[in-house]
Amino acid sequence: ETGVTQSPTHLIKTRGQQVTLRCSSQSGHNTVSWYQQALGQGPQFIFQYYREEENGRGNFPPRFSGLQFPNYSSELNVNALELDDSALYLCASSPEGAAYEQYFGPGTRLTVT
Amino acid sequence: EDQVTQSPEALRLQEGESSSLNCSYTVSGLRGLFWYRQDPGKGPEFLFTLYSAGEEKEKERLKATLTKKESFLHITAPKPEDSATYLCAVGRSSGSARQLTFGSGTQLTVLP
Repeated sequence: ETGVTQSPTHLIKTRGQQVTLRCSSQSGHNTVSWYQQALGQGPQFIFQYYREEENGRGNFPPRFSGLQFPNYSSELNVNALELDDSALYLCASSPEGAAYEQYFGPGTRLTVT
Repeated sequence: EDQVTQSPEALRLQEGESSSLNCSYTVSGLRGLFWYRQDPGKGPEFLFTLYSAGEEKEKERLKATLTKKESFLHITAPKPEDSATYLCAVGRSSGSARQLTFGSGTQLTVLP
């Protein structure tokens, strides 16, 4: 059984640019959640996708957006990057009927300069 | 507003020295208390889910317990490979979303 995978592993961007991060969910999982983890902090909920629809969002501005595809993989897009967006971005997938049981990928480390 | 507080922030133990990590929480409508282990630069690894006060779960040297206001992660006779950051989170509904609210973690170091 393949776990959650994310790409790229690391990314360096300049302030004002746009970035797309990708996530493949664990086999059989149809719910994907995205989190942002700043250094020394716990992950913070960005949003969650279920059956290609966003079904909830945390306290993040609209320049954070996402997609979920029919195969349940997902993208996180961030526009107009700011220095404070530098963080580890985590994707988690959950099986049907157990959306709280979230299994995380290795994350993408984004650095904004 | 939901709040999850973990203590201590950091803990150093000698190999074999048992201890406990604390996670206190306030949440409206608890949908589970979750423990994760996170190694540096990696994603959190799921350990336990607890749903009701009095519930206990064990895995190797780890045992998690839950009361109405807090959870404990007991580590018995730890080994250096248990060194990691331990995160707790509470599950809550946000609209249709099922989100986790995390604490800041306890960084555990086990010395040989």
